[in-house]
Amino acid sequence: DSGVTQTPKHLITATGQRVTLRCSPRSGDLSVYWYQQSLDQGLQFLIQYYNGEERAKGNILERFSAQQFPDLHSELNLSSLELGDSALYFCASSPGQYQPQHFGDGTRLSIL
Amino acid sequence: GENVEQHPSTLSVQEGDSAVIKCTYSDSASNYFPWYKQELGKRPQLIIDIRSNVGEKKDQRIAVTLNKTAKHFSLHITETQPEDSAVYFCAAREGGNNYGQNFVFGPGTRLSVLP
Repeated sequence: DSGVTQTPKHLITATGQRVTLRCSPRSGDLSVYWYQQSLDQGLQFLIQYYNGEERAKGNILERFSAQQFPDLHSELNLSSLELGDSALYFCASSPGQYQPQHFGDGTRLSIL
Repeated sequence: GENVEQHPSTLSVQEGDSAVIKCTYSDSASNYFPWYKQELGKRPQLIIDIRSNVGEKKDQRIAVTLNKTAKHFSLHITETQPEDSAVYFCAAREGGNNYGQNFVFGPGTRLSVLP
């Protein structure tokens, strides 16, 4: 158990819909990262938050947005969903810059 | 921005042999390089990491070496075991402000350890 909690574990929805993925970081970790992993693909960095503020942005689509709340949990919002958005979405957290990231178990999103 | 290449994409070794996976990065300001192991359907797990001010780090059967001049770093696994079979990802943290960190991952290496 990494200490990073992601909900839900699985999500099935249709094209055009909107979903929210939730992440609770490890106790004490201020940084939260979101990644997308498509089938048999690598990890694509989406966005990072530190203590409530956006700090780094990767290949995140405009249809996607995220935020980190005062209690440090984070949500990733995906809207106008397309078939190609089907993937495993991971959240990771770390205390700071040279500390390793610990990943949650991911949310598997399936678009029908 | 940072670009990370990883080779080979697949690697098969006999149990007990060594395995080496190599990564190169493009941004000379990158300063932290973790390696992750991902088993099928599971989350990536950190196995070892190295900072840019260190040339080598070892943890039991696993070691990582970093050559900042050449901008490459390598993962070495000795005495491989079947449970080492997984996909391994290298990553590089782009240089930036203290808490803004874009991590770029390599495409992964699928390691198979044959009994």
